[in-house]
Amino acid sequence: AQSVAQPEDQVNVAEGNPLTVKCTYSVSGNPYLFWYVQYPNRGLQFLLKYITGDNLVKGSYGFEAEFNKSQTSFHLKKPSALVSDSALYFCAVRPYSSASKIIFGSGTRLSIRP
Amino acid sequence: DVKVTQSSRYLVKRTGEKVFLECVQDMDHENMFWYRQDPGLGLRLIYFSYDVKMKEKGDIPEGYSVSREKKERFSLILESASTNQTSMYLCASKVGTGVYEQYFGPGTRLTVT
Repeated sequence: AQSVAQPEDQVNVAEGNPLTVKCTYSVSGNPYLFWYVQYPNRGLQFLLKYITGDNLVKGSYGFEAEFNKSQTSFHLKKPSALVSDSALYFCAVRPYSSASKIIFGSGTRLSIRP
Repeated sequence: DVKVTQSSRYLVKRTGEKVFLECVQDMDHENMFWYRQDPGLGLRLIYFSYDVKMKEKGDIPEGYSVSREKKERFSLILESASTNQTSMYLCASKVGTGVYEQYFGPGTRLTVT
């Protein structure tokens, strides 16, 4: 079955420290991968996506993600966390065989302490 | 800026009522989606539409139906609301069939009592 796993329900980081939010996937064929963020009382916003090419993808708000095919992972990273990064983060995958449907992970709540 | 709007932010309905959730997008997107968001479960796809009057079931279509009579509008219908349909409902739209991001509305928090 095709799936996305976010193994951590919550990640706590001090402001200024690097952060990582983990994501692994299981799909057949080459995947298209996404990260979305949900700030309190707001809808999801797109952060970045991986289609092909360079394994390191840069996105909005200073975030980046690293695609690792051998580990089937797509971890979200930021070198220096801000309190304003506190939000709910979702990893998502679109199987190559799917025209439009994407599969979302369960979400990871990121909390940045001052 | 793409804008996806949903008719209500909060809605309270009684068990057995027929409930309509409306979604409108202003960017002429072909694809529209309805998800429900529950803690620990992420987003689960209920239905999506790839063109006017065209629809496909998602992962959890039971108890729901949809309508897309105009390109910009996608409605989710709960035929007979039940308490297990209490949830946050998110609408999204996306252009074409390429690898493009989805744009989400602010969500409707539905409570069924």
